[in-house]
Amino acid sequence: AQKITQTQPGMFVQEKEAVTLDCTYDTSDQSYGLFWYKQPSSGEMIFLIYQGSYDEQNATEGRYSLNFQKARKSANLVISASQLGDSAMYFCAMRRNQAGTALIFGKGTTLSVSS
Amino acid sequence: EPEVTQTPSHQVTQMGQEVILRCVPISNHLYFYWYRQILGQKVEFLVSFYNNEISEKSEIFDDQFSVERPDGSNFTLKIRSTKLEDSAMYFCASSEGLGVYGYTFGSGTRLTVV
Repeated sequence: AQKITQTQPGMFVQEKEAVTLDCTYDTSDQSYGLFWYKQPSSGEMIFLIYQGSYDEQNATEGRYSLNFQKARKSANLVISASQLGDSAMYFCAMRRNQAGTALIFGKGTTLSVSS
Repeated sequence: EPEVTQTPSHQVTQMGQEVILRCVPISNHLYFYWYRQILGQKVEFLVSFYNNEISEKSEIFDDQFSVERPDGSNFTLKIRSTKLEDSAMYFCASSEGLGVYGYTFGSGTRLTVV
């Protein structure tokens, strides 16, 4: 069975600073995908970044990067130059690389960015 | 940009009643999902649907729940005999398959059982 663990219930950061949100996962599959989603207070789920298990390079999308350490089974999200609008809940998720399989989510981390 | 549409955005129902939550997935997507998020908690997978049948379901998805694709565009989640603990945000999502950006979520239906 797959499992996602996010150990930080809440994180606090000042504007313009970088922040790392932790995510570890457990799976017996060799081929899988890792995702990060942002959920602002309005409730929608916003896709941020994806990392495939066979990708050799860490994924980047603008201010977001994913620090993928396969041997340690970790997929931490790094947000550079935090902005007030980054305040939200962040979820790490994974799925097996088989068409139509479900995303399994972690419990989430609440990020608060202050000025 | 294509989006997944969910209606209603908020529904209040009395305990014991049946509710139907509606979703219009992205038109060229093949896989459809329902997820549940109890307030402040993790997002939990309920069921996935492909080719007019359930392809995967979680232990939460018991006989109280059912899904249907009644026509070519809608995807519904029916909850029978609602309980107080069914109060949650219900998200519909769709995907083409294994695409990197595969999962598109709707904005959710907040179900309140009173």
